[in-house]
Amino acid sequence: QVQLQESGPGLVKPSETLSLTCTVSGGSISSYSWSWIRQSPGKGLEWIGFIHYSGTTNYNPSLKGRVTISVDTSKNQFSLKLSSVTAADTAVYHCARAMVAAAGYGFDCWGQGTQVTVSS
Amino acid sequence: QSVLTQPPSVSGAPGQRVTIPCTGSSSNIGAGYDVYWYQQLPGTAPKLLIYGNINRPSGVPDRFSGSKSGTSASLAINGLQAEDEADYYCQSYDSSQAVFGGGTQLTVL
Repeated sequence: QVQLQESGPGLVKPSETLSLTCTVSGGSISSYSWSWIRQSPGKGLEWIGFIHYSGTTNYNPSLKGRVTISVDTSKNQFSLKLSSVTAADTAVYHCARAMVAAAGYGFDCWGQGTQVTVSS
Repeated sequence: QSVLTQPPSVSGAPGQRVTIPCTGSSSNIGAGYDVYWYQQLPGTAPKLLIYGNINRPSGVPDRFSGSKSGTSASLAINGLQAEDEADYYCQSYDSSQAVFGGGTQLTVL
């Protein structure tokens, strides 16, 4: 059974870069596609971006080019970098496995999430 | 403002049936993209309930069912149980990105 675990700093200063890693266990990262999703306090879910197993990426336009998602197959991990963060980026960040279908994709396996607070 | 619209809250008594609507548009649900539903219990990660509009992953009780028509979708829960009290989110695809509903808090009275 595949399990996902997020890791990274829980506190990031404004204007700096948020960096998180998702470690995949119980299965190979190479055969699937992956996403990052966040949830602000008391708010709903916001999709951040997606990386296809081919390496193709797709990001939420609302994040205005601040996002980079990459995969390290040797470590069975994928990563998120979000630059120039502000207090609005404070959220619980989840990594998730994407189940790609002919008509879009959803998420069948989620990490428990990690709280990231942006504050000086 | 979420791309997909859900009511903020619904409620029902144990044993009853409740439905949670998810309204989209011609660029997402109406364009033929699949709808997914997630259940989020307090303090936990979302869990996939329905995929491909109507399909349940292994382990999800058949009390949960999904439907889709036109630009909308619905999640129905039959035989409501106390353990169903949670937040529910719909999700689809639009303009090359995954989009979520704002979530619906289900209260079991």
